[in-house]
Amino acid sequence: QVQLVQSGADVKKPGASVKVSCKASGYTFTGHYMHWVRQAPGQGLEWMGWIDPRSGGTNYAQKFQGRVTMTRDTSVSTAYMELSRLTSDDTAVYYCARDVLVYGEVGYFDYWGQGTLVTVSS
Amino acid sequence: DIVMTQSPDSLAVSLGERATINCKSSQSVLYTSNNKSYLAWYQQKPGQPPKLLISWASTRESGVPDRFSGSGSGTDFTLTISSLQAEDVAVYYCQQYYSTQTFGQGTKLEIK
Repeated sequence: QVQLVQSGADVKKPGASVKVSCKASGYTFTGHYMHWVRQAPGQGLEWMGWIDPRSGGTNYAQKFQGRVTMTRDTSVSTAYMELSRLTSDDTAVYYCARDVLVYGEVGYFDYWGQGTLVTVSS
Repeated sequence: DIVMTQSPDSLAVSLGERATINCKSSQSVLYTSNNKSYLAWYQQKPGQPPKLLISWASTRESGVPDRFSGSGSGTDFTLTISSLQAEDVAVYYCQQYYSTQTFGQGTKLEIK
């Protein structure tokens, strides 16, 4: 069965960077774009961008351009999301989510990771 | 960016009654070449990731109970739960995927 297993919770100081991992299993990792979505405490969902695991190509939301980097390691079927220059506004649960479409992007998500809480605090 | 606005923000419905959640987009999410609206609905329970319920505005995902239905086209959409069950208590989000991806602010559904 499809599973997306994310790394554990993390606490960072303002100005630092955080890297969250998402290990995929149960399907062909390179066959589906991987998106990242975040959710601040008690708030709604915010799309951050995607990575094409086959090519490594990325597309970031304008809000995060210059601050987010999405990468992947196909040898271990894992996607990564690194966010830099953290502020308290970046405190959120970060989710990876699989795009429904095979070898392309349609933009909605059928499987989600369990979420990773990133807390930014001095 | 396309802005998605849901109404109401919260809703209390009696068990067995109908629940209706609305979602409006700031511009049409209907792709005229295939006549499909690029709109999905998700259910999120506390401490869990969202779960996909409906795509293409009205296509129910496999395994989703048939009491859940989606309707609408263009800019106005509705998620209907025909007979509310206790396990349906959750926050519901609409999402457009016509132009990148944006979500509505969520509607919290509770039991009256």
